[in-house]
Amino acid sequence: SYELTQPPSVSVSPGQTARITCSGDALPKQYVYWYQQRPGQAPVQVIYKDNERPSGIPERFSGSSSGTTVTLTISGVQAEDEADYYCQSADSSGTYGVFGGGTKLTVL
Amino acid sequence: EVQLVQSGAEVKKPGESLKISCKVSGYSFISYWLGWVRQMPGKGLEWMGIIYPADSDTRYSPSFQGQVTISADKSISTAYLQWSSLKASDTALYYCARPGVGAVHGFDLWGQGTMVTVSS
Repeated sequence: SYELTQPPSVSVSPGQTARITCSGDALPKQYVYWYQQRPGQAPVQVIYKDNERPSGIPERFSGSSSGTTVTLTISGVQAEDEADYYCQSADSSGTYGVFGGGTKLTVL
Repeated sequence: EVQLVQSGAEVKKPGESLKISCKVSGYSFISYWLGWVRQMPGKGLEWMGIIYPADSDTRYSPSFQGQVTISADKSISTAYLQWSSLKASDTALYYCARPGVGAVHGFDLWGQGTMVTVSS
C-alpha cells in the first residue's frame, strides 16, 4: 500500500529554523496535512491543504511542496515546539489516507 | 462545544470481541466524515478508515481492511470501531478524528483516545 517517508529525527537550537520533509509519489495529486503530537496528548493539526495554517497555530509554522516532497518549516523554533510531527495525505485516488512514520523534533 | 468523546479504556483477552465508540457533539454528525487512527505503544499514527454517517460510505486502509469494522448510528451521533476477534497486536491507543468541512482527509478535531489492551 501507499507510504509516506519522513526522517526519524530532526534537531535544532532555539531560534533556528527546523525543516521536516515528507515524501510520497502521490503528493503532487493529494493535499498534505501536518500534525504535532506532544507526549501523552492527542495530535493537533498545524498545517492543512499543503500550506494553510489553522486558527490558533503560530505563524512560525508553514508548509510548502515541490513535486513528490513536502516540507513543514518551523521558523524561530521554541522549546515548546519539541514534539513528534506527522504528515498525512491520501493515495493517488483519494480513497484512503496514510500517515508518514513521524519525525521527532528535538530542541537542543 | 464541538467535541468527540470516546468510550473508556478496555482490557480484553485474545479472541474476544470489542466495540468502542466516539460520540459527537456540537456539530451535525451527518455532515462530516469521521475516521479512526491507531497508535501502538511508542509508535506512530496509522490511518485505519473513515465513514460518512449520512450514507455509511466507509473506506478502509488496505492494512486494516477485513481486520476491523467501522459503523455509525445517526440516531445517537455515535461512530464505532469494532473487532470480532482481538489479537495481542491490537493493543494500542485508538483515536477518532474528524476532517474539516467538505474534506475526507485532514483531521482538525480529535477525540481523547481509547486505550485497548489485549492480553491473556
